[in-house]
Amino acid sequence: SYELTQPPSVSVSPGQTARITCSGDALPKQYAYWYQQRPGQAPVLVIYKDSERPSGIPERFSGSSSGTTITLTISGVQAEDEADYYCQSADSSATYRVFGGGTKLTVL
Amino acid sequence: EVKLVQSGAEVKKPGESLKISCKGSGYSFTNYWIGWVRQMPGKGLEWMGIIYPGDSDTLYSPSLQGQVTISADKSISTAYLQWSSLKASDTAMYYCARHDGAGKGTFDYWGQGTLVTVSS
Repeated sequence: SYELTQPPSVSVSPGQTARITCSGDALPKQYAYWYQQRPGQAPVLVIYKDSERPSGIPERFSGSSSGTTITLTISGVQAEDEADYYCQSADSSATYRVFGGGTKLTVL
Repeated sequence: EVKLVQSGAEVKKPGESLKISCKGSGYSFTNYWIGWVRQMPGKGLEWMGIIYPGDSDTLYSPSLQGQVTISADKSISTAYLQWSSLKASDTAMYYCARHDGAGKGTFDYWGQGTLVTVSS
């Protein structure tokens, strides 16, 4: 099997920058994706292919990759950004496609 | 507008069978993979599998293979997730999502979710 590791929680004040990390051995070889899930709602894609932003997603959301770690950065965090965030990728052979365990972003 | 509309909530007993559906519209249903994601109560997302409705090619998560069946009827633009014998541990919210394999490379549009409750 394959695992992606995220911190369970991140807290920031409004207007600050939130950084959520995701670690996995195959991340140098496989694209990664980020989803936002607000309570009671379906997930929403916020970053694809490590750093691309879908249309309609605010510019304050960005993604980056370095070695076995990818990072979702939310600049100028707003109250509406409070949600669970999940990374998703695959192992080196694309046999296992998995989500990370999720990170709860709290806006203080 | 791309839309995925899932069937309604289900309450079943252990051992019963179940088939839930996901109807796509607003795009060429046969040209995109469509997949299923499980979310158990209070837990994270779990990738279950995807199907290409054009030729019914299917990829399952190795950890779930044999426990569920993913199918599609391209004539009515609908994908399905089915169980032959439900267990209490199948209680979860199930989401379908379009997989834009040639473009974004992942699930870009999601259904509203189908809550499945299995209890005696």
